[in-house]
Amino acid sequence: AQSVTQLGSHVSVSEGALVLLRCNYSSSVPPYLFWYVQYPNQGLQLLLKYTTGATLVKGINGFEAEFKKSETSFHLTKPSAHMSDAAEYFCAVRGYTGTASKLTFGTGTRLQVTL
Amino acid sequence: EPEVTQTPSHQVTQMGQEVILRCVPISNHLYFYWYRQILGQKVEFLVSFYNNEISEKSEIFDDQFSVERPDGSNFTLKIRSTKLEDSAMYFCASRPGGNSPLHFGNGTRLTVT
Repeated sequence: AQSVTQLGSHVSVSEGALVLLRCNYSSSVPPYLFWYVQYPNQGLQLLLKYTTGATLVKGINGFEAEFKKSETSFHLTKPSAHMSDAAEYFCAVRGYTGTASKLTFGTGTRLQVTL
Repeated sequence: EPEVTQTPSHQVTQMGQEVILRCVPISNHLYFYWYRQILGQKVEFLVSFYNNEISEKSEIFDDQFSVERPDGSNFTLKIRSTKLEDSAMYFCASRPGGNSPLHFGNGTRLTVT
C-alpha cells in the first residue's frame, strides 16, 4: 500500500523567493513519485516524475524535486517563484506491481505568490 | 501533443438520475483510470481499467458505478442513481504502460441537485 503526506495545505511566498513544497511518502514497494499541478478550473498537469536513476529530477516551469529514500521524501523546489506559479500542487506515489497500479495523491498544497 | 478529452465539462443532474461521463483517452494508451475530487478535497482513486476489465477499484466505486470501453476509443463512467454526495470533479486519465505517468483530462464537474 502507498500513501502520501503533504505538509502545509497553504504556502505563501514572495515573487522571486524560493519555493519549497514538502512531500513524504510511504510505500511497500519501490515507489514511482510524481508532482502534478492544478490551475484553477483545470485538470492535473504533470510537473515531473521520479521512476529510477538520478534522484534529482527536473520538470517543467523551472521546478525540480529530489528523491531521498532515507527520508522517504520527494520535496518540490523552485529557486525563484513567479506569479504564474500560483496553483495547487499534488504529490503522488505509485508502487509498480506490474499491473494497472493506481496513483495515490496527497491532500495538495495551495501555493500563493505575492508581490 | 495528444491529450485526454472529457465531455461534458459540466453536468447538472437531479438526485436519482443516471449520468454517463465520457472520456477519450490518448490513442495508444493501455491503462485507463477514473478519479474524483470533491470540492476542496484530495484527488481520490475510483477505478483502473486494463485489457477490457477492471484492474482495481476503491471503496467509493460501489454498485452504483460502472465503467465501459464500448468501442476501443471511448471510456465511460456511469453512475446509476446519483446522490448529492456524488457532486465532484471527475477526472479521466490514461497511460501507455511501464513506468509512464498518468495523463489527465480537464475533468467533468458533476453537480447533483
